[in-house]
Amino acid sequence: QSALTQPASVSGSPGQSITISCTGTSSDVGGNYFVSWYQQHPGKAPKLIIYDVSNRPSGVSNRFSGSKSGNTASLTISGLQAEDEADYYCSSYTSSSTWVFGGGTKLTVL
Amino acid sequence: EVQLVESGGGLVQPGGSLRLSCAASGFTFSDYWMHWVRQAPGKGLVWVARIYSDGSSTIYADSVKGRFTISRDNAKSTLYLQMNSLRAEDTAVYYCARDSRYRQDYWGQGTLVTVSS
Repeated sequence: QSALTQPASVSGSPGQSITISCTGTSSDVGGNYFVSWYQQHPGKAPKLIIYDVSNRPSGVSNRFSGSKSGNTASLTISGLQAEDEADYYCSSYTSSSTWVFGGGTKLTVL
Repeated sequence: EVQLVESGGGLVQPGGSLRLSCAASGFTFSDYWMHWVRQAPGKGLVWVARIYSDGSSTIYADSVKGRFTISRDNAKSTLYLQMNSLRAEDTAVYYCARDSRYRQDYWGQGTLVTVSS
């Protein structure tokens, strides 16, 4: 199972919006709605921020939003804040009943 | 409060074995599927294995199939990962995570496994 494709890095200034893409295949991202996004700060465990493509867990800021079109899912962070600087990973359930993560995207807040 | 605490990591020689544990609290452990996910130093997350709530079904990533075994003891609220025939490329922080409808909603802090001679 190949990793989902994410850009290695993105950056933005405080207050701006950024979008991170996550490209898979019809066997994973394109084949179901079990796409999740995780935020990971250095030395910390991943934290779930989006599930089922576009839903936010309780307590996650509404500045985080998710969407999907075909085999590509996207995470948008609006009103960038310094605390958003972290690594972001997408994940998808697959047709083989396994899970696959993206390679990760490092977000830098300028 | 949901808590997952991994233990059992350490330094092991290539070809050796190690058993990781994940102690769960703050929720009814026997109601949830559980996962192991790993992260090599400086690298991304990689899904390793999943087990059903009653332990009746397991599934593995191809990279560990036949070498790793996920199991659980619901009476002790503990998840395990038995790792055999370890290779240098298995070096990683290993996280246990709770499954909630096909997403990993809570994660432990991880335990580091280093495979080296």
